[in-house]
Amino acid sequence: DTAVSQTPKYLVTQMGNDKSIKCEQNLGHDTMYWYKQDSKKFLKIMFSYNNKELIINETVPNRFSPKSPDKAHLNLHINSLELGDSAVYFCASSQGSRGLAADTQYFGPGTRLTVL
Amino acid sequence: GDSVTQMEGPVTLSEEAFLTINCTYTATGYPSLFWYVQYPGEGLQLLLKATKADDKGSNKGFEATYRKETTSFHLEKGSVQVSDSAVYFCAQADTGRRALTFGSGTRLQVQP
Repeated sequence: DTAVSQTPKYLVTQMGNDKSIKCEQNLGHDTMYWYKQDSKKFLKIMFSYNNKELIINETVPNRFSPKSPDKAHLNLHINSLELGDSAVYFCASSQGSRGLAADTQYFGPGTRLTVL
Repeated sequence: GDSVTQMEGPVTLSEEAFLTINCTYTATGYPSLFWYVQYPGEGLQLLLKATKADDKGSNKGFEATYRKETTSFHLEKGSVQVSDSAVYFCAQADTGRRALTFGSGTRLQVQP
């Protein structure tokens, strides 16, 4: 069984559309994350949830909204997509109720978003 | 703020060569340090980690030692294989911070 799964794996869409990326983890972890990897492979944290509570909200356009229906799921909704949103988005999870980053993070396979 | 600096890539080596990928960090506290690896078309996998000074992380023949005095966590392997070709990311998690700060990644290409 896949520990951290994301859907879809590829997403191609037009500018201005709204899209969602789903993430699920079956590791029983308390903390989940979204990272963005740009075309130069640079990775940056976007959001983190601990037990459905938002604990990290980096400087990200408010067109991006995370939603955590339960602690095993963290979805990313993006409104009014722009060309610059094209990237690979990675979901991750870690154990530990305090959500400390010293805990090992387990990554999903990524979702490659292409905005045309 | 917290940051991680890695050597620029790509690094191209012949099979069985010795590998070093340099990584240095800046942090306000006492971070945990990580090396993640990303194989083509895949997500990131933890390669090794160290949580305090002088700790050595090791896995699959790779090693890295947490050097507080030089704020470094260099990745080494004595004999690389073609299957080690990937992008390697150094990362830190400073005390209390709930996310990883990554370096820019170093692409390793191992030729037969």
